[in-house]
Amino acid sequence: GQQVMQIPQYQHVQEGEDFTTYCNSSTTLSNIQWYKQRPGGHPVFLIQLVKSGEVKKQKRLTFQFGEAKKNSSLHITATQTTDVGTYFCAGRSGGSNYKLTFGKGTLLTVNP
Amino acid sequence: ETGVTQSPTHLIKTRGQQVTLRCSSQSGHNTVSWYQQALGQGPQFIFQYYREEENGRGNFPPRFSGLQFPNYSSELNVNALELDDSALYLCASSLGGVPLEQYFGPGTRLTVT
Repeated sequence: GQQVMQIPQYQHVQEGEDFTTYCNSSTTLSNIQWYKQRPGGHPVFLIQLVKSGEVKKQKRLTFQFGEAKKNSSLHITATQTTDVGTYFCAGRSGGSNYKLTFGKGTLLTVNP
Repeated sequence: ETGVTQSPTHLIKTRGQQVTLRCSSQSGHNTVSWYQQALGQGPQFIFQYYREEENGRGNFPPRFSGLQFPNYSSELNVNALELDDSALYLCASSLGGVPLEQYFGPGTRLTVT
């Protein structure tokens, strides 16, 4: 079945440093979503990418979808303590339009 | 706040028992998806209901079942509980049979002893 892998599993940064998490799928995706989950909280939708090579920005966050639609990345510029949490990618393949497969997530901690 | 509510917040059950978890979707949303999230893992898709019909299922055994009601609220039932069923159960509400943006509820923490 479809697998979605994320690296790194953990990332600790100093406030102000940049952060990137990478997501790779074993199959071609029709779209990919990114979620953030604060400690003790629930996943919160950040964005969806659909087109090959798509790049979207939300303030300090930049999301990319690979040309082959099998990988994606989330980059945060100048991290802040409010960025702390686990970032998940979740992919949907063309054959299972209803099913989102989540990666294991990257836990980001930020030292003030 | 997403407007998605779940009950109960926490639950402790014994192995072999049955449990029912409830979810009220956001106003106007007709699709509910259920996920199981083990500690330190990403959410795993259990199944999805669209307009009261199950329209997708993940790799979970038949003892995981569900319902969606005319008001689009939903239930997740788990029979013959096993220790490995201990997890956070999340429901996510969205609009449309192939959901785009999903709004998650706060989850129900189930502990099986």
